[in-house]
Amino acid sequence: DADVTQTPRNRITKTGKRIMLECSQTKGHDRMYWYRQDPGLGLQLIYYSFDVKDINKGEISDGYSVSRQAQAKFSLSLESAIPNQTALYFCATSSGGATDTQYFGPGTRLTVL
Amino acid sequence: AQSVTQPDIHITVSEGASLELRCNYSYGATPYLFWYVQSPGQGLQLLLKYFSGDTLVQGIKGFEAEFKRSQSSFNLRKPSVHWSDAAEYFCAALYNNNDMRFGAGTRLTVKP
Repeated sequence: DADVTQTPRNRITKTGKRIMLECSQTKGHDRMYWYRQDPGLGLQLIYYSFDVKDINKGEISDGYSVSRQAQAKFSLSLESAIPNQTALYFCATSSGGATDTQYFGPGTRLTVL
Repeated sequence: AQSVTQPDIHITVSEGASLELRCNYSYGATPYLFWYVQSPGQGLQLLLKYFSGDTLVQGIKGFEAEFKRSQSSFNLRKPSVHWSDAAEYFCAALYNNNDMRFGAGTRLTVKP
């Protein structure tokens, strides 16, 4: 079984809808991250969490919110989706140190019409 | 703002040929540096990382990278490319222990 899973893998939605992307990990890591990937832009950090009570904004947090329900679960929400949020979204985890390897999930492809 | 630049969007090499992918990071306190590979439909996998010490870093799958402070570069190399190396490669830099910046990626095509 994969160490980092994301659901759904693909989602098409309409402008204005609320969307939640979920991430679960079995690695026992404290740190979890949400990134979005756009063609030609690489990955950009949306939010990160160092533990259940520690959540921080990343480079591009506007229009997004997160919830860390447990050590193993980190959800990303789009309260009112807009077309320019169409992208590939990745969840990642790492252990205690900031320089430790980040392990990525397979990604969620989101399309906002 | 801190940034990472990968000058080559797409590179094509023949199987068995050598490979070098370029990466430059914006100047500041030397960040921690990483190379990741992304195969189609997959997440990113770490190839190697540099924190300090020996400037030539060995990674998985026969890849290596060399840190050059004077050039703010961290180029990825492989002596002989295999068809399975076709993928997208991302350079990343971690600034201030919590600000990870990725380059835009270089897509590698391997010709038979």
